[in-house]
Amino acid sequence: DAGITQSPRHKVTETGTPVTLRCHQTENHRYMYWYRQDPGHGLRLIHYSYGVKDTDKGEVSDGYSVSRSKTEDFLLTLESATSSQTSVYFCAISESVRNQPQHFGDGTRLSIL
Amino acid sequence: EDKVVQSPLSLVVHEGDTVTLNCSYEVTNFRSLLWYKQEKKAPTFLFMLTSSGIEKKSGRLSSILDKKELFSILNITATQTGDSAIYLCAVVGLRDDKIIFGKGTRLHILP
Repeated sequence: DAGITQSPRHKVTETGTPVTLRCHQTENHRYMYWYRQDPGHGLRLIHYSYGVKDTDKGEVSDGYSVSRSKTEDFLLTLESATSSQTSVYFCAISESVRNQPQHFGDGTRLSIL
Repeated sequence: EDKVVQSPLSLVVHEGDTVTLNCSYEVTNFRSLLWYKQEKKAPTFLFMLTSSGIEKKSGRLSSILDKKELFSILNITATQTGDSAIYLCAVVGLRDDKIIFGKGTRLHILP
C-alpha cells in the first residue's frame, strides 16, 4: 500500500472555527491532491499540488486553502468552517498523473456543527 | 465542460451473477481512464486504460475502453459478497494535471 497518512481521522468542530487537515506521504511523489466525497456527488477535487509551493485550484476550492512546504506534506485549511463543509476528505498522491494512477489515503471524516 | 457519467448508480445482484458497469465521458484531449473500487475507506486502484479495444483483466474483473464511442465498461464475473463496493470511474485529460471522477456505481451482492 502507498504510504499515505491523513490526520486527524475524525474531527468534530463548530461553525466559524479554523480547521487544518494534514496529508503525509512517504513515497516522494510529486503530485498531491485533496478531494471531498459527499453522497450524490462522488469525489470532487478541492486543490492539488504539482510540487513544493506549487498548487492549483480544483472544482470546489471556495472556502479552502492549501500549502505544501515540503514534498511529503500537503495541508488543507478551512479558514472559517461552515456546515456545508461537513464531508469526508481524501488525500491522494501520484508520481505523474498522466502515466500513473492516484493512490488514496484512508480519509478524514469532518463534521461541522 | 469535462464530465464523467457512470451507470447504473446502484445495482443489487445475487452472488454468482455477472455484472457490467458503465462509464461514459466527455473530456478535452483524453489521456487515460481509471477504475477504482471503494469499500469502507480509501478507493483502491483497479485498472488504467489508455488504448481502445485492449482488455485489462485481473481475476474475475475485466475492463475495456472504446475511445471512439467515449465509454468504458467494467465486468465482474461470478460475483462474490466481497465485491460489494462503490466502483469509481475517472478520466485524465491532457490539458491539465487533474482527474475527473464520476459519481460511482454502488454495487451490492446478495449471498
